[in-house]
Amino acid sequence: DGGITQSPKYLFRKEGQNVTLSCEQNLNHDAMYWYRQDPGQGLRLIYYSQIVNDFQKGDIAEGYSVSREKKESFPLTVTSAQKNPTAFYLCASTAGSYEQYFGPGTRLTVT
Amino acid sequence: RKEVEQDPGPFNVPEGATVAFNCTYSNSASQSFFWYRQDCRKEPKLLMSVYSSGNEDGRFTAQLNRASQYISLLIRDSKLSDSATYLCAVNPGGSNTGKLIFGQGTTLQVKP
Repeated sequence: DGGITQSPKYLFRKEGQNVTLSCEQNLNHDAMYWYRQDPGQGLRLIYYSQIVNDFQKGDIAEGYSVSREKKESFPLTVTSAQKNPTAFYLCASTAGSYEQYFGPGTRLTVT
Repeated sequence: RKEVEQDPGPFNVPEGATVAFNCTYSNSASQSFFWYRQDCRKEPKLLMSVYSSGNEDGRFTAQLNRASQYISLLIRDSKLSDSATYLCAVNPGGSNTGKLIFGQGTTLQVKP
């Protein structure tokens, strides 16, 4: 079964803790993306990566970090520097046609 | 002005109705356009791409108006199961990053 997986589905953390969200794809897609969605809002781009070992900041990268050591994996770390981390985090990938396919998302709650 | 704008709605329509949503974009160099469907608390799923010549898939028709810089989605014979939020997405062009800019979404409620 080809697709994008994100884990965990729900994540709860205390303020001040870093947390890493997993994103894995077996679609052999080159490019991967991380978005954040707040209630009633569209998707905002955090980071993206077009090839292994390379990534670029999106529109709201402050307080986040990523790595791309393998083609299949693009984990996102939400650091304690992120002022308002509670949100729905979505990972997507594309083979280059601009059509992005999304994983099921991780709902992060920080209290 | 936002790069991609949608009327958030909600659009409340009876079953069987025809409903249309628009999505405006500000960058005239935009190249690729998409409609996504997002159910409550789920991920967006690609509904259809929007081509210059238009695109039809069953009850759904998407069109591009480059002169006025908007795309549209028409849903005919609405079903209860069409109730969802519809997001438009635009590739801004000018680079080859594959980035998409999303609108905030339009909520559709189809009533019995």
